[in-house]
Parts: sequence; structure tokens; C-alpha cells
Amino acid sequence: QTVVTQEPSFSVSPGGTVTLTCGLSSGSVSTSYYPSWYQQTPGQAPRTLIFSTSTRSSGVPDRFSGSILGNKAALTITGAQAEDESDYYCLLYLGRGIWVFGGGTKLTVL
Amino acid sequence: EVQLVESGGVAVQPGGSLRLSCAVTGFTFNDYPMHWVRQAPGKGLEWVSFISWDGSSTYYADSVKGRFTISRDNSKNSLYLQMNSLRIEDTAFYYCAKDGLGFHFDYWGQGSLVTVSS
Repeated sequence: QTVVTQEPSFSVSPGGTVTLTCGLSSGSVSTSYYPSWYQQTPGQAPRTLIFSTSTRSSGVPDRFSGSILGNKAALTITGAQAEDESDYYCLLYLGRGIWVFGGGTKLTVL
Repeated sequence: EVQLVESGGVAVQPGGSLRLSCAVTGFTFNDYPMHWVRQAPGKGLEWVSFISWDGSSTYYADSVKGRFTISRDNSKNSLYLQMNSLRIEDTAFYYCAKDGLGFHFDYWGQGSLVTVSS
């Protein structure tokens, strides 16, 4: 059973930079897994931020960026704002019609 | 404007059945695959199922395989999830999501709550 791993929680100061990661229990994440990132605030539906590793979804501020760092996918927020306090989920396509979400990272901005 | 609206979520007893619907507007429904994603209260997101644009291909998470069936009616711009043999652990908000044609989801509904409880 493949597990997608994310940091359970992270904190960042307003204006600071934070990088959240998305890994695999076995193996490395590459662009072939088409990593995507989603933001969710309590009581709301998820919002798509990044797809295909690094493409920002329409309307997403450019302080959000995606990349591959080492053996993981990464979401970087540069110049974090109070409204970025949310849960962040990565999604990987494992092939053969199987998608798996990571457990999510709760980001605190303080 | 793209809109996805789920309906059909109710409380049901373990072992029961339920069908969720998702009505979509704002895009050419039969051009896109679709997904169901769920989220247990206070927990993370879990991908549930995929259906191709014409319904010819379907995929399921192991946790629901053999119990849930995804389908679509392109003439009605609607997506469905038939859920049988429901378990307590199926309790969740169920979201329909539009496939972004890049192995991701680009639009989401607001979710429909399914509660499985005796």
C-alpha cells in the first residue's frame, strides 16, 4: 500500500517563506506522478492551487509555487499572508487509474 | 461559471444503500472525466472513484471497490455514486470534482454529507 506523506503541521510568520513537501513511503516523487496541491479552510470545499508539479491554477496568487525538491514534490509560499492559514493537501497519480492524497499539512500563520 | 452541486446525502444504517448525485453546469460535461472524493469529519481527503468522459472506464479506491459504483448521464449533465453495503467508516462529506485533464482536479462541489450510523 503506497502512502503519500506530508508534514502534519507547519508554522510560518507573516511575510515569511514556507515549503511544504509531499513524499512517498517508498520511492521518489517525480513529475511523472503529476503532483497537484489543494488548499482547504474549515467548512469549505478544497481549492486547486497547483497542478502538473508547478502550474498555478487560474486566479492563484504567484506567491504560491510548486516544484520537485530532491525526492519530493514541494509547495512553497513566499510572503505568507494571514489568509494562507489553511490545510494543504498534495495529490499524486500513481498510474493505472489510482490517485492518492497525502494526509495534509495544517499551516499556521503567526 | 463552473458549478458542481451534490445532493442525496442523508443518514443511513450500516449495510444500507444510498445514491449521490452531482449536477454540473458551466462546462461541456461530456468532454471531461469526473471524480468523487470524500472527507471524514475532521480527517483528510480521500480519492474515491473516477469515470471517463463516456463512462467506459471506471476506477475505485480499494476501500470502496465492490461496494460503490460511479456512473454518469451526459444527457442530464449529472454524475452519480451508488453506495451499497455502507459501513460506519464511509461517513464523510462526498465531493464531486471535475478532472482537469492533467491527472488533477480543477473544480469541486461543496460536498454532501453521508452519515452511516445505527
